[in-house]
Amino acid sequence: ELKVEQNPLFLSMQEGKNYTIYCNYSTTSDRLYWYRQDPGKSLESLFVLLSNGAVKQEGRLMASLDTKARLSTLHITAAVHDLSATYFCAARPATSGSRLTFGEGTQLTVNP
Amino acid sequence: DVKVTQSSRYLVKRTGEKVFLECVQDMDHENMFWYRQDPGLGLRLIYFSYDVKMKEKGDIPEGYSVSREKKERFSLILESASTNQTSMYLCASTLTRNIRWGRKWTGHVYSNQPQHFGDGTRLSIL
Repeated sequence: ELKVEQNPLFLSMQEGKNYTIYCNYSTTSDRLYWYRQDPGKSLESLFVLLSNGAVKQEGRLMASLDTKARLSTLHITAAVHDLSATYFCAARPATSGSRLTFGEGTQLTVNP
Repeated sequence: DVKVTQSSRYLVKRTGEKVFLECVQDMDHENMFWYRQDPGLGLRLIYFSYDVKMKEKGDIPEGYSVSREKKERFSLILESASTNQTSMYLCASTLTRNIRWGRKWTGHVYSNQPQHFGDGTRLSIL
């Protein structure tokens, strides 16, 4: 059974700083997804990572995937207040079809 | 843009009631999902469906059932609501190509698209 763990679960950081959110998964996965959720809102897709070494960037967010280590990271560069949200990673087991297993979520607060 | 619409944003029901949560998507997606979201637990899959009239149990199906009579609509049913079913419920859909061998699904799909989520229904059971 695939398990997905995120670290940290809560992150408070200052504007302008850099930080990384980690996503570990327990068994073979062939797809890794990152989502963002604002308070009271739905989940919005950020990145889809398809292969070992994949790197995707959008603005101040960069996601990467290491399938050998079963680890994905979401790196935040020079954080701004607008990035405050909860970030989820989700992995798809290699043989599960389209179902995903989600991590617990990382609640990010960026302070001025 | 994909639109996944859940019928209610907020719902209050009583213990023992039969509760229906409705979800409609407008992009002809084959796959639809129901999750519940609780603090500290992330999203947990209740049921999903690969096609009309097809359903598969997720990780926490107990106390729930689903119905998929039309491709665009996926309903979650709480047969007899209980207070521990108070939660945020999220519906999602995704476009995939399911491979069927005879009458069986092989479980292999070849699409990388993310799941698209509705706005959620916050359900309170009193």
